[in-house]
Amino acid sequence: DIVMTQFPATLSVSPGERATLSCRASQSVGSSLAWYQRKPGQAPRLLIYAASTRATGIPDRFSGSGSGTEFTLTISSLQSEDFALYFCQQYGDWPPYTFGPGTKLEI
Amino acid sequence: VQLLESGGGLVEPGGSLRLSCAASGFTFKMEAISWVRQAPGKGPEWVSLVSGSGATTYYADSVKGRFTVSRDNSRNTAYLQVDSLRVDDTAIYYCAKYSTIIGWNGPLESWGQGTLVTVSS
Repeated sequence: DIVMTQFPATLSVSPGERATLSCRASQSVGSSLAWYQRKPGQAPRLLIYAASTRATGIPDRFSGSGSGTEFTLTISSLQSEDFALYFCQQYGDWPPYTFGPGTKLEI
Repeated sequence: VQLLESGGGLVEPGGSLRLSCAASGFTFKMEAISWVRQAPGKGPEWVSLVSGSGATTYYADSVKGRFTVSRDNSRNTAYLQVDSLRVDDTAIYYCAKYSTIIGWNGPLESWGQGTLVTVSS
């Protein structure tokens, strides 16, 4: 199975600043990488798929990059509603789909 | 698109539950559904997938032989029968659907809010 790791585990950033979250796969997944946001009590929300394509309705302050084993989610100019848990998922080699442990983005 | 899970609860080790995922807002019979769980303090774990027709299913090794996924397309509902529950099955269980265009070789486009399963004596 492909193991996904994310770092940092917690990222403290001020509103208006940029946040950079990293995700690494234990073997290449090509561009088959998605990013999700989850807030307490809410459904997870797809942000990015195919490593760099924003999902429908996602603001352009969210951007994804990378391929193979190294991926990055960048949130420019953080808004208050962006403070949440973010996790990555590979769907290039399944079953099983595998997820990272998540990065908590906090103020 | 709306996905609404139900059926979670507190159960003793070795017990069973049937989780339901009621869907609306899309052509249910055309879409595969996955179940994903997230235990406290851990990353999400994919559990199972059922194809639109219900004819094809996949399971994570950790639940194979204990969990059974199914669906009733006449009721727009997917199910996850969870048997022989263990303490480490404690998690929020989500159902999710794929993009209509990409299908199961793509990301999970829409998720429900989840139902909590707690396994404890």
